[in-house]
Amino acid sequence: SQKIEQNSEALNIQEGKTATLTCNYTNYSPAYLQWYRQDPGRGPVFLLLIRENEKEKRKERLKVTFDTTLKQSLFHITASQPADSATYLCALWDYKLSFGAGTTVTVRA
Amino acid sequence: DVKVTQSSRYLVKRTGEKVFLECVQDMDHENMFWYRQDPGLGLRLIYFSYDVKMKEKGDIPEGYSVSREKKERFSLILESASTNQTSMYLCASSAASAYNEQFFGPGTRLTVL
Repeated sequence: SQKIEQNSEALNIQEGKTATLTCNYTNYSPAYLQWYRQDPGRGPVFLLLIRENEKEKRKERLKVTFDTTLKQSLFHITASQPADSATYLCALWDYKLSFGAGTTVTVRA
Repeated sequence: DVKVTQSSRYLVKRTGEKVFLECVQDMDHENMFWYRQDPGLGLRLIYFSYDVKMKEKGDIPEGYSVSREKKERFSLILESASTNQTSMYLCASSAASAYNEQFFGPGTRLTVL
């Protein structure tokens, strides 16, 4: 069966450190992979899209990698700030968008 | 900025009632989607539409129907609400190519008693 797995545990990190989130998938062949941020009580907000032929994508303090051989994406937040505290969702495009359950990140000042 | 609005933030209904959830987007997007979000399960696609009067079933369509009479409006209907439909419902829209980023509304938290 198809499965998208994100870090099972919430991530607690110190301000200024790098947060690394994982997204592993099975039985998908995604042409695109997206990352969203979701704050409590709000809808998700799009952050980044990476194509299957791209290895890495950056946007300000965010970096995403996409390894179709390992069937994995890594999402990095560098120089993290308390304002980065949120739940981060990965989503795979394989003729429709399918979401992981998300990883909650808390950045301590 | 793209704006997706949903008719209610919170809704409480009784078992067996017919429930309408409305979604409107103001960016002339072709594609619209309805998801439900439950703890630990992530977002699950209920129905989607790539054009007016067109609809496609998502992963969990049972117990739901949709209507898209105008490009900007996509309605989700619970024909006979049940307690297992208590959830957060999120509407989204995207432009042209379906793999494009999706813009989400604020969500409707529906409680069925």
